[in-house]
Amino acid sequence: GQNIDQPTEMTATEGAIVQINCTYQTSGFNGLFWYQQHAGEAPTFLSYNVLDGLEEKGRFSSFLSRSKGYSYLLLKELQMKDSASYLCAVPSGTGAGSYQLTFGKGTKLSVIP
Amino acid sequence: EAQVTQNPRYLITVTGKKLTVTCSQNMNHEYMSWYRQDPGLGLRQIYYSMNVEVTDKGDVPEGYKVSRKEKRNFPLILESPSPNQTSLYFCASSMLGLGSYEQYFGPGTRLTVT
Repeated sequence: GQNIDQPTEMTATEGAIVQINCTYQTSGFNGLFWYQQHAGEAPTFLSYNVLDGLEEKGRFSSFLSRSKGYSYLLLKELQMKDSASYLCAVPSGTGAGSYQLTFGKGTKLSVIP
Repeated sequence: EAQVTQNPRYLITVTGKKLTVTCSQNMNHEYMSWYRQDPGLGLRQIYYSMNVEVTDKGDVPEGYKVSRKEKRNFPLILESPSPNQTSLYFCASSMLGLGSYEQYFGPGTRLTVT
């Protein structure tokens, strides 16, 4: 099965950089997702990593180390609208497709002026 | 517009009264899934489907049923709802193939069972 750990809450200042960590234990690795969820809304896709290393997408970057079972989401130039929960998720299916997705409990990020 | 729709968005019901939450997607996705989200527990998968007439249990299937008679629709059925099924429910869909694909989520259904 999957076990995913993320910090429960974080606070950061507008304009700063914040790193949200995620550690996981899984029986068969098939990549790792990050989703953003604003309060009362549906999760929306941010990134997917299947190979080790850093992937950059605008102000957001995601890093993966498969040997360490570790990922982080890096948010730069924080804006007030980045206040949201950030969910780390790991598929349990191997081979074709992501059959069953296990989510971490999410990290609630508060951006303060 | 590509989207996942759910109905109803809000529902208050009583214990034991059967209900169905509908989910529909217009992206021709093979994969569809239902999740529930509870404070302190996060998103947990209830059931998923990889294609028409193919469904499987997620982490918390007890008390729920699903069906996939058409590719676009994936209703969630609570035959005899109980108060512990009070939750925020999300339907999601994605492509299915080599590698993994992002899931598109519906807007959510907030269910209260009294």
